[in-house]
Amino acid sequence: KAGVTQTPRYLIKTRGQQVTLSCSPISGHRSVSWYQQTPGQGLQFLFEYFSETQRNKGNFPGRFSGRQFSNSRSEMNVSTLELGDSALYLCASSYTTGNTGELFFGEGSRLTVL
Amino acid sequence: AQTVTQSQPEMSVQEAETVTLSCTYDTSESNYYLFWYKQPPSRQMILVIRQEAYKQQNATENRFSVNFQKAAKSFSLKISDSQLGDTAMYFCALTGNQFYFGTGTSLTVIP
Repeated sequence: KAGVTQTPRYLIKTRGQQVTLSCSPISGHRSVSWYQQTPGQGLQFLFEYFSETQRNKGNFPGRFSGRQFSNSRSEMNVSTLELGDSALYLCASSYTTGNTGELFFGEGSRLTVL
Repeated sequence: AQTVTQSQPEMSVQEAETVTLSCTYDTSESNYYLFWYKQPPSRQMILVIRQEAYKQQNATENRFSVNFQKAAKSFSLKISDSQLGDTAMYFCALTGNQFYFGTGTSLTVIP
């Protein structure tokens, strides 16, 4: 069974640009959540999608958005990039929502903003 | 609000020795789950162990065990017979309406 796949793995952008990250969950998983990981801050929750609906959203500005498609694949978008957006963005999938089951993580997309 | 605190940013342990990673949390929920996740260098994060709050018995997975003190809101991870492959970042996590993660403990196993 293929794991969670995130693309691209690495990308470099400049301030003011926008970026779109993609996540393909494990087959059969309907919940996809996104996290921002930075040194010293741990993982900060961005949002969760289940069956194409945003179920929950973290405390991030509106520049961060996401969506989920009917095949459960998810994308997140960050507009008007700032230097502080440099981070590892992790996607995780699970079979159900409710936050009781195991999260399966991708390897992440490392974004550098110059 | 739910919070997770890991007060040990870095730790090291000799191979074959035992090490304990600390985690404290705060939640107003009566039922919740606690997790330890492991993130090896440049590799994806994987689940180490899970504890359901309503279960008093401490969870165990091979060399990994937890000390769950519900009243003290403490959830420490003990790694026995440490191996080089245990070198990783370890995150404690708590569930609520989302997953709440601590800031992580970087563990290095020294040969």
